[in-house]
Amino acid sequence: AQSVTQLGSHVSVSEGALVLLRCNYSSSVPPYLFWYVQYPNQGLQLLLKYTTGATLVKGINGFEAEFKKSETSFHLTKPSAHMSDAAEYFCAVSGYSSASKIIFGSGTRLSIRP
Amino acid sequence: KAGVTQTPRYLIKTRGQQVTLSCSPISGHRSVSWYQQTPGQGLQFLFEYFSETQRNKGNFPGRFSGRQFSNSRSEMNVSTLELGDSALYLCASSLEGRTGVDTEAFFGQGTRLTVV
Repeated sequence: AQSVTQLGSHVSVSEGALVLLRCNYSSSVPPYLFWYVQYPNQGLQLLLKYTTGATLVKGINGFEAEFKKSETSFHLTKPSAHMSDAAEYFCAVSGYSSASKIIFGSGTRLSIRP
Repeated sequence: KAGVTQTPRYLIKTRGQQVTLSCSPISGHRSVSWYQQTPGQGLQFLFEYFSETQRNKGNFPGRFSGRQFSNSRSEMNVSTLELGDSALYLCASSLEGRTGVDTEAFFGQGTRLTVV
C-alpha cells in the first residue's frame, strides 16, 4: 500500500525566508511523487513531479523537491518565500497500478509573514 | 487549451435528496477521476472512469456512483444525501490514467456541495 505523511499541518515563514515543507512516503514499488498547491476555493495545481531520472526536480514558481530513496522523503523547498506562496500544499503518490489513483497527504498550510 | 470544467461550482441540497455533479475533461483525455475533499478526511479518491467503464474505486458507500459518456465527460451522483457528504468534490482528467503513458492529472476547480 502507498501512503504519504506530511509533517506539520501549518508552517509559517517570513517573506524572503526559506520554505521547507516535509513529506515522507511509503511505497512497495517505485513511486511517482507529486506536490500540488491549492489556493482558497480553487482546485489543485501541480507544482512538480518525480517519475524517474534526476532526483532533484524543479517546478513552477521557484519550487523544487529532492527525491531521497534512502530517507523515503520528498521535501519541497523554495529559497525565498513570497506573499503569493500562501496556500495549502499537498504531497501525493501514485504507482504502477494506476496513475489516476493519487494518494494525498493531509496537507500543509503555508503562511507568509510580512 | 481549455482546462477541466466542473459544474456547478456551488450546490446546496437537503438531507435525503440526491445530487449530480458534472465534469468535462481536457480535450483528448480519456481518464476521469473523482475526489472528495473534507477538512476531517482530506482528499480521498472516489473512483476513476476510462472509456465509459469504472476502472478503479475507492472506499465509499454505494450511494456514490458515477458514469462516463462517449465524449469522456463524466457525472458523479450521490443519493440519499447525508450531512457528512458536504465537501469539495474535485474532478481530475489525464490522458489514459496509466503509469508510463501519462503521470499527470489535471484538476478542475471543484464543486462545493453543502448538505443542510
